[in-house]
Amino acid sequence: AQRVTQPEKLLSVFKGAPVELKCNYSYSGSPELFWYVQYSRQRLQLLLRHISRESIKGFTADLNKGETSFHLKKPFAQEEDSAMYYCALSGYQAGTALIFGKGTTLSVSS
Amino acid sequence: DAGITQSPRHKVTETGTPVTLRCHQTENHRYMYWYRQDPGHGLRLIHYSYGVKDTDKGEVSDGYSVSRSKTEDFLLTLESATSSQTSVYFCAIMSGFEGNTIYFGEGSWLTVV
Repeated sequence: AQRVTQPEKLLSVFKGAPVELKCNYSYSGSPELFWYVQYSRQRLQLLLRHISRESIKGFTADLNKGETSFHLKKPFAQEEDSAMYYCALSGYQAGTALIFGKGTTLSVSS
Repeated sequence: DAGITQSPRHKVTETGTPVTLRCHQTENHRYMYWYRQDPGHGLRLIHYSYGVKDTDKGEVSDGYSVSRSKTEDFLLTLESATSSQTSVYFCAIMSGFEGNTIYFGEGSWLTVV
């Protein structure tokens, strides 16, 4: 079964602390992995794609096929990082809809 | 914003009434999707479309129908709204130029009373 698991509903950290949002997946094949971010009552925005291997807003994520994980990391959290984060996967066939995890709320306080 | 607009943005309706949500895109994308977002469930796929008059069901399609008579419009209809359909509905498009990356509209907040 295709599934994305985000084990933490809420992650609370202090400003300047490292952040790791966990994502594990189950997929028969080679998926595309994504992280999306949603600020309060706004649209979801693409944060990262594993294929692009970019660093956006200081966030990085590495696909670990052995552990079937795609954890999102940032070395120093900022208050403006407070948001809901969703991990998602898709197959490589064009048009394949994304499957989302249930999301993790990140709360960064000073 | 990937040229996506949703309407209405907010709606309150009564149980048993039909409701149609509209998603309009201006960039001629082939693939379009409707998701619903609920606390504790994340985003779940309702229906999707891979072209004009080509649609298919997603994970939570019961109680919903869709139509796509033009490339730019993807309509989601609740034939007879129920309280369990109170949710935030997001339309999304797939650009096709960045793998299967999808871009979302701003959402439609629907309350069924």
